[in-house]
Amino acid sequence: QVQLVQSGAEVKKPGASVKLSCKASEYTFTNYYMHWVRQAPGQGLEWMGIIHPSGGSTSYVQKFQGRVTMTRDTSTTTVYMELSSLRSEDTAVYYCARERGNDGFDLWGQGTRVTVSS
Amino acid sequence: EIVLTQSPGTLSLSPGERATLSCRASRSVGSPYLAWYQQKPGQAPRLLIYGAFNRATGFPDRFSGSGSGTDFTLTISRLEPEDFAVYYCQQYGSSPYTFGQGTKLEIK
Repeated sequence: QVQLVQSGAEVKKPGASVKLSCKASEYTFTNYYMHWVRQAPGQGLEWMGIIHPSGGSTSYVQKFQGRVTMTRDTSTTTVYMELSSLRSEDTAVYYCARERGNDGFDLWGQGTRVTVSS
Repeated sequence: EIVLTQSPGTLSLSPGERATLSCRASRSVGSPYLAWYQQKPGQAPRLLIYGAFNRATGFPDRFSGSGSGTDFTLTISRLEPEDFAVYYCQQYGSSPYTFGQGTKLEIK
């Protein structure tokens, strides 16, 4: 069915990098923008950035500039989000979410928990 | 950046009661670009309302959205036990896309 399936949980040390994946199924991958949203424990939702799967262009929230890279592989209908120089404050669940034109984020992955701890 | 402020932070109500959740923006949001999401513990958010008042697939008509400009409202006419969750508003018309801090709807 139409779904986004994310990679499994990660545990990283401060200063390391993490690369998460989000595989899209059963829809035309290049027709929908994809976003990454994170949620720290007990906190709200924080938008990180967007990737356009058709051309690969990206836009990131300023606070993550220089640390985040979003890419895509159209052959496997997968988007990736790499976050570098990890710190404890990056401990969160990371979600990918599909944007349906003017209609909000209509499809979400199940989330990937990232724990940053020494 | 458009800052969204939701109120109240926590709303304690009983099943059958009416819930009114508010989302106020620091500057005008294009009305097609205001959404509400429902999130239950351990789950991903789920699109509830888009374009300020359009109900997403799977949600009953007891959920309704309204508002324009800087003031938006989510109303649940008669609460059912499965409606108790956290609700977030989001604007997606102006980058960076932003979320409100959430309203927790809890059983009284």
